[in-house]
Amino acid sequence: GENVEQHPSTLSVQEGDSAVIKCTYSDSASNYFPWYKQELGKGPQLIIDIRSNVGEKKDQRIAVTLNKTAKHFSLHITETQPEDSAVYFCAANAGGTSYGKLTFGQGTILTVHP
Amino acid sequence: DAGVIQSPRHEVTEMGQEVTLRCKPISGHDYLFWYRQTMMRGLELLIYFNNNVPIDDSGMPEDRFSAKMPNASFSTLKIQPSEPRDSAVYFCASSLSGREQPQHFGDGTRLSIL
Repeated sequence: GENVEQHPSTLSVQEGDSAVIKCTYSDSASNYFPWYKQELGKGPQLIIDIRSNVGEKKDQRIAVTLNKTAKHFSLHITETQPEDSAVYFCAANAGGTSYGKLTFGQGTILTVHP
Repeated sequence: DAGVIQSPRHEVTEMGQEVTLRCKPISGHDYLFWYRQTMMRGLELLIYFNNNVPIDDSGMPEDRFSAKMPNASFSTLKIQPSEPRDSAVYFCASSLSGREQPQHFGDGTRLSIL
């Protein structure tokens, strides 16, 4: 089955700096890669996603890049703010009989210091 | 639109008691997922349904866990008998059909077994 590895597990930055979180996946049939943000006491919330027919997608301060050949994708947050502090998860979909299923990375705890 | 609704938000009970967690998916969504989140194991998929039918329950830890989806707008996850190691946050998520669809999460049930 699909395996998703996420790095780093913790990331500390100063307000205004950029933050980058990286994920690798194993299933070459994966073609959908969402990113989730989880705040304390809440469920994971979708912040951006990318499909394999594009290499990059941007939404204001957030961008995601995808390299299908290398099987890795990354989340980039620019001009970080204290409210960006949260746990971030990457995920990848599965093919075959696991239709509809997402496999999640282990999460990155992002702390933005004022 | 209402998101995924879970109840209760918090549950504290004694070891050996039956626990029932409830989920109302987003209207029109065909897929429903149950996850468990702990510090040690991260976000684990327990079971998921498509059109009310269980598709994959390989993540259910043992026979003490069972899940049902009697109709398109309601699902339950039951633990009987409960044990302290079942303490975790349990999330329900739903999605539309299709391999490239995001899952939408509820805010979870924080379960503590004493």
